[in-house]
Amino acid sequence: EPEVTQTPSHQVTQMGQEVILRCVPISNHLYFYWYRQILGQKVEFLVSFYNNEISEKSEIFDDQFSVERPDGSNFTLKIRSTKLEDSAMYFCASKGVGANVLTFGAGSRLTVL
Amino acid sequence: GESVGLHLPTLSVQEGDNSIINCAYSNSASDYFIWYKQESGKGPQFIIDIRSNMDKRQGQRVTVLLNKTVKHLSLQIAATQPGDSAVYFCHSSGNMLTFGGGTRLMVKP
Repeated sequence: EPEVTQTPSHQVTQMGQEVILRCVPISNHLYFYWYRQILGQKVEFLVSFYNNEISEKSEIFDDQFSVERPDGSNFTLKIRSTKLEDSAMYFCASKGVGANVLTFGAGSRLTVL
Repeated sequence: GESVGLHLPTLSVQEGDNSIINCAYSNSASDYFIWYKQESGKGPQFIIDIRSNMDKRQGQRVTVLLNKTVKHLSLQIAATQPGDSAVYFCHSSGNMLTFGGGTRLMVKP
């Protein structure tokens, strides 16, 4: 069964450092998403991406965040200067054209010290 | 804007009993609803969906009920098993972006 793959599974970084989280969506999907989940809390939307541009973004997705689809398979989330409060699980998801169901990756745990 | 929320943050049931997880939504224009299950350390996974022109849909041991009059969605799990222990989220196509807070289902042996 096709799956969304995320790397790394866990990253520990120092405050102020740049972090890039990588995702390989399902190959025939065209809609891509990043969500985050702080420990014990709900899943929060960050950004959606379609046709090589951001479709929507939340208030969380400020200037410190950026997304990119550098090639035909990867979808990345970059945090330029991490803060302690960026510590969370980050989930990538993708969706096919005309579909309603999101397929999520297993997540990348980010720990900012 | 739409809000998608859940009534109960934690539900504890005995193994073998039936579980009912509830969700409220506010956007009456939503036409598609999805339940996701998130096991510990994993991403949410699709369980079952229902369109707004239906009021009930059954899967394997799971049933989703939709009451559009009161904007309420429920997930029923028959004969709950330890493997059902997880956080369950409802999600509305009216806003693909918002998840409810989640209900943690704990199954007691």
